[in-house]
Amino acid sequence: DQQVKQNSPSLSVQEGRISILNCDYTNSMFDYFLWYKKYPAEGPTFLISISSIKDKNEDGRFTVFLNKSAKHLSLHIVPSQPGDSAVYFCAASAYQGGSEKLVFGKGTKLTVNP
Amino acid sequence: ETGVTQTPRHLVMGMTNKKSLKCEQHLGHNAMYWYKQSAKKPLELMFVYNFKEQTENNSVPSRFSPECPNSSHLFLHLHTLQPEDSALYLCASSQDRGINQPQHFGDGTRLSIL
Repeated sequence: DQQVKQNSPSLSVQEGRISILNCDYTNSMFDYFLWYKKYPAEGPTFLISISSIKDKNEDGRFTVFLNKSAKHLSLHIVPSQPGDSAVYFCAASAYQGGSEKLVFGKGTKLTVNP
Repeated sequence: ETGVTQTPRHLVMGMTNKKSLKCEQHLGHNAMYWYKQSAKKPLELMFVYNFKEQTENNSVPSRFSPECPNSSHLFLHLHTLQPEDSALYLCASSQDRGINQPQHFGDGTRLSIL
């Protein structure tokens, strides 16, 4: 059973417009969320995170929104740039069973067209 | 050299071979991780080491044997693997083991089992 779901395998956006990547989770114990970006032939790199005590965190062009009641988070990129084209992974973490659990989604491939 | 370095980048081996994957981090981190990424599946956490001690083994078959001689080095020893073990193996590190600790990933080893 997938605890972290990224239901859109791919997304295509025009340069300069907003990209919105979505992520849903099922485990209410998750209380910290992270987004990673992955270019081909490279490992994922950390992008931005948010704690469950917040509903928004912003870093430059990147903003993450968290809706705890809906168990939903989203990553907004504005304005989108061609260099943002990559696979974006959502991850959720929690203390569970005496240890930290980190669960990743399958990823969404973002293509930003010039 | 900085970051997380994995060698080799690509490995092809037969089912009866023994090989090892190597991971080295130059970030002064205390926690290191092995992940498996199969096609169209989320990243799966395999092992966690914190201060050289293994703290998690997520039901990984014994044909995968990790070793952490010090906080900077992590190995994954492979023996009698199966074709379904073909995947991208990613190493990561974080400052400490904690749910709010972003992980820094290597570029992975692409493993193919013949």
